[in-house]
Amino acid sequence: EAGVVQSPRYKIIEKKQPVAFWCNPISGHNTLYWYLQNLGQGPELLIRYENEEAVDDSQLPKDRFSAERLKGVDSTLKIQPAELGDSAVYLCASSLGRGAGAQETQYFGPGTRLLVL
Amino acid sequence: AQKVTQAQTEISVVEKEDVTLDCVYETRDTTYYLFWYKQPPSGELVFLIRRNSFDEQNEISGRYSWNFQKSTSSFNFTITASQVVDSAVYFCALSEAGTNAGKSTFGDGTTLTVKP
Repeated sequence: EAGVVQSPRYKIIEKKQPVAFWCNPISGHNTLYWYLQNLGQGPELLIRYENEEAVDDSQLPKDRFSAERLKGVDSTLKIQPAELGDSAVYLCASSLGRGAGAQETQYFGPGTRLLVL
Repeated sequence: AQKVTQAQTEISVVEKEDVTLDCVYETRDTTYYLFWYKQPPSGELVFLIRRNSFDEQNEISGRYSWNFQKSTSSFNFTITASQVVDSAVYFCALSEAGTNAGKSTFGDGTTLTVKP
């Protein structure tokens, strides 16, 4: 079974440019997560989707970050405009999502390493 | 607010030594879940174990074992007879249950280096 797929794996851009990351979760997984991981730190949740609904986006900097999961499958995370401090690894994860009360194990993709110059 | 502390930033051992990675957590919830993940240099977090707050039974899986002690809010991870391939960053995570199921808090990780 294929794991979580992310692209691109690496991205180098200049500040103020836009950038987008794509994630395809494990087939059948209804819950999708985007995390930010700074060097030497653990992942921090940006947004969580249950199917196509964003159920937790409280940590997403909405002035420059946006995300979508239009058909409840793959998802795109966008930054516009990028700032130097956005340099980090952006991780996508998915879980089965059996609904409230059920805790599902999250499976992670390889991440996209972003460098903003 | 939930918090996970991995006090050991880096650990270095020689192959075949046993090593324990510490994890201490804080939560007001009575129902929660604890996880350990391994992050090799390739970057992908690999799931190792999940434990719910009502199950304090220790678990062993091959060379890996986990000690969950609710009284001290700890969920420690031991690798027996370490190998070079165990070198990675290990993360402990705490997840809420109920309506916030899936909301996870990660520690900052422990970098384990196993030398031949």
